[in-house]
Amino acid sequence: GESVGLHLPTLSVQEGDNSIINCAYSNSASDYFIWYKQESGKGPQFIIDIRSNMDKRQGQRVTVLLNKTVKHLSLQIAATQPGDSAVYFCAEIISGGYQKVTFGIGTKLQVIP
Amino acid sequence: EPEVTQTPSHQVTQMGQEVILRCVPISNHLYFYWYRQILGQKVEFLVSFYNNEISEKSEIFDDQFSVERPDGSNFTLKIRSTKLEDSAMYFCASSAVGASVGTDTQYFGPGTRLTVL
Repeated sequence: GESVGLHLPTLSVQEGDNSIINCAYSNSASDYFIWYKQESGKGPQFIIDIRSNMDKRQGQRVTVLLNKTVKHLSLQIAATQPGDSAVYFCAEIISGGYQKVTFGIGTKLQVIP
Repeated sequence: EPEVTQTPSHQVTQMGQEVILRCVPISNHLYFYWYRQILGQKVEFLVSFYNNEISEKSEIFDDQFSVERPDGSNFTLKIRSTKLEDSAMYFCASSAVGASVGTDTQYFGPGTRLTVL
């Protein structure tokens, strides 16, 4: 079963640098992916999504890359700011079914001013 | 900016008691969800709700759980007989469209922390 109190991987980044957060997903049938940001004491906040027919999608300061061959997802944050400090996690979904949503454990991003 | 609200922010209850967690989704949204996050663990999907009925539910969402949209604004999660392991943060979310239709931006509420003693 799952362990209690997961120790999140932590990424420390200097303010202004770019951040890359990685996620390995588990199900090759997943065809929709979402990145969330969760600040302490708050609910998850949608950042960006991507469907499996794409390998890259860009938003404002964020880019998501999808590599279906190795089942890998990454989130790139350009010019990281202190307000980006949070836990970031990915979710994989098999389209048409939220019963198939699987969330990753998350990565804690610490921005050093 | 519209937001999802949840009440209460913290609920403490005795094991075996019933609790109702309340959510007010964004007003023009049609899809509603409940998730939970046990302290230090992953977010887990519980249930999705559309057109006044459950559209999907996870294995966690057993007979002890129920959801309701009693009026045009509220969306509730009821746990009939709480267990110690129900202690978690419960998040409500809403979206304008469902994941099977198109890009599904879900907006999450701040959560209700449920503590079962």
